[in-house]
Amino acid sequence: EAGVAQSPRYKIIEKRQSVAFWCNPISGHATLYWYQQILGQGPKLLIQFQNNGVVDDSQLPKDRFSAERLKGVDSTLKIQPAKLEDSAVYLCASSLETGTFYGYTFGSGTRLTVV
Amino acid sequence: AQSVTQLDSQVPVFEEAPVELRCNYSSSVSVYLFWYVQYPNQGLQLLLKYLSGSTLVKGINGFEAEFNKSQTSFHLRKPSVHISDTAEYFCAVSVNYGGSQGNLIFGKGTKLSVKP
Repeated sequence: EAGVAQSPRYKIIEKRQSVAFWCNPISGHATLYWYQQILGQGPKLLIQFQNNGVVDDSQLPKDRFSAERLKGVDSTLKIQPAKLEDSAVYLCASSLETGTFYGYTFGSGTRLTVV
Repeated sequence: AQSVTQLDSQVPVFEEAPVELRCNYSSSVSVYLFWYVQYPNQGLQLLLKYLSGSTLVKGINGFEAEFNKSQTSFHLRKPSVHISDTAEYFCAVSVNYGGSQGNLIFGKGTKLSVKP
């Protein structure tokens, strides 16, 4: 089966600019996650979707970050305006269902550099 | 709240030597435990997981881990490493909600560097 697709792979922007990342999960996976991985740290959950509804966005900085999952398939994560501390790898993952043992399948990530 | 501590940020080892990557967790409730591997410029790949049952868990690529509840540890081991095992390894925990799984919480990672 095809894996989790993310684009772009790399992005360099200036601070205060906006940026968007795209994720296409594995077909049939109901649950989608966005993680932020800052250099030297483990991934941190930003937001979790079940189909097209938000399950957990408690760690999403909502003043600048937004995410949507229209039609319960693809998802986009947006940052506006970006700050230097947003430099990180943004990982998308999907799983069959929330709260199951199927495990997560991760995409290759988008590496964002804010200068 | 749950947390994960990976005690070593970097572990250098020679090829064919054994290796142990240490992981301790903190939780007041029952948890599930995972090890993921991340090769350069790639996403995370599941190595193994402990859900219940035998405390010794075998995963892919010859890795295994042992769950120790009294010491709240889940150390990863491999008896003989290869150059291709060079990667970053993440320990993760999720809460056991009576049979279903909460979100994954990751440690900071351990970079394994295998030298010839």
